[in-house]
Amino acid sequence: EAGVTQFPSHSVIEKGQTVTLRCDPISGHDNLYWYRRVMGKEIKFLLHFVKESKQDESGMPNNRFLAERTGGTYSTLKVQPAELEDSGVYFCASSLGSVGTEAFFGQGTRLTVV
Amino acid sequence: GQNIDQPTEMTATEGAIVQINCTYQTSGFNGLFWYQQHAGEAPTFLSYNVLDGLEEKGRFSSFLSRSKGYSYLLLKELQMKDSASYLCAPRGYQKVTFGTGTKLQVIP
Repeated sequence: EAGVTQFPSHSVIEKGQTVTLRCDPISGHDNLYWYRRVMGKEIKFLLHFVKESKQDESGMPNNRFLAERTGGTYSTLKVQPAELEDSGVYFCASSLGSVGTEAFFGQGTRLTVV
Repeated sequence: GQNIDQPTEMTATEGAIVQINCTYQTSGFNGLFWYQQHAGEAPTFLSYNVLDGLEEKGRFSSFLSRSKGYSYLLLKELQMKDSASYLCAPRGYQKVTFGTGTKLQVIP
């Protein structure tokens, strides 16, 4: 069975440009999470989808970040316009249930804004 | 909110035992995860505790005390491949929050 897949694995963009990250969760997992790790800091929660609905988006830094999960399958995270401080590794995770259920992580997308 | 505290770095010898401690303050506690993350890779699940006590799984064990807001991860018979970051992650209502992680270096 395929795990959580993320695309692209690396992205280098200039400040002011737009980047869209994609996450394909494990098939059948209703819960999808986005996390971000900025260099040297902890992995921080961004938001949580249950199917296509945003359950919790309290971790989204600002309105330059837009996450969608149309149809409740794959999810995209768009950063527009990108700023230097957006650089980091963006992880996606999915789980079958929510409370008490193991979350499986993708390999992450390393975003570098120059 | 969430507040998680674990040591930044630890060094231990191959074959030895190491204990990584984690204290946390969280609202709406629903259990605690430990994840392992090798450099440049995704975090991988190690354990989940929801009740007080020790959960053993092979060389790895995890302990939880809900009243004290305290957990530890115990690694026995350390191997070189255990060199990684270990992330303490309490779960709130539905959201999992990660600590900064403890970077463990296993030396010969």
